Amino acid sequence: EAGVTQSPTHLIKTRGQQATLRCSPISGHTSVYWYQQALGLGLQFLLWYDEGEERNRGNFPPRFSGRQFPNYSSELNVNALELEDSALYLCASSPPVGRGADTQYFGPGTRLTVL
Amino acid sequence: LAKTTQPISMDSYEGQEVNITCSHNNIATNDYITWYQQFPSQGPRFIIQGYKTKVTNEVASLFIPADRKSSTLSLPRVSLSDTAVYYCLVGPRGYTTSGTYKYIFGTGTRLKVLA
Repeated sequence: EAGVTQSPTHLIKTRGQQATLRCSPISGHTSVYWYQQALGLGLQFLLWYDEGEERNRGNFPPRFSGRQFPNYSSELNVNALELEDSALYLCASSPPVGRGADTQYFGPGTRLTVL
Repeated sequence: LAKTTQPISMDSYEGQEVNITCSHNNIATNDYITWYQQFPSQGPRFIIQGYKTKVTNEVASLFIPADRKSSTLSLPRVSLSDTAVYYCLVGPRGYTTSGTYKYIFGTGTRLKVLA
């Protein structure tokens, strides 16, 4: 069974640009979570999508946004990039609510570098 | 929101049992505790999940006291390949009427296993 996949692996942008990161969940999973992990720091919760809707977001500015598609894949968009947005962005997925443990399974991440 | 704290680092020797504790004083009734292992530049890997008392699987045990304000991940007979950062995650399973679905990762414990 394929795990969570993310693309691209690495992304280099300059300040002020926009970045789009993509995530494909494990087959059968309907929830997608996004986390930011800055270098040497822990994981900060960004967004949670389930069944196409944003269920909640962490303490990040509105320039961090995303969406979930009908096939449950997801995009994270970061507008007006700032240097401190440089981080590893992790996507996780979990099964439908009520069907077993809502354990989050993580992808390998996208390394975003803002110059 | 359940704020979590963990020791920053621990050293151990091969073959020893390692116990890593996570404090989550404000854990909510519907929150579960999940532990992850993370290697550099990789996504976290699920280890174990529990709600109360003791849970055991093929790689670890999780001890949660009755008040649930802390949890302890126990790794039996660690090896060099267990050198990694270990995170606890506190968050709800399923939907709750409160509408708050924040997922709070601990600060992470850097475990170094020595030969």
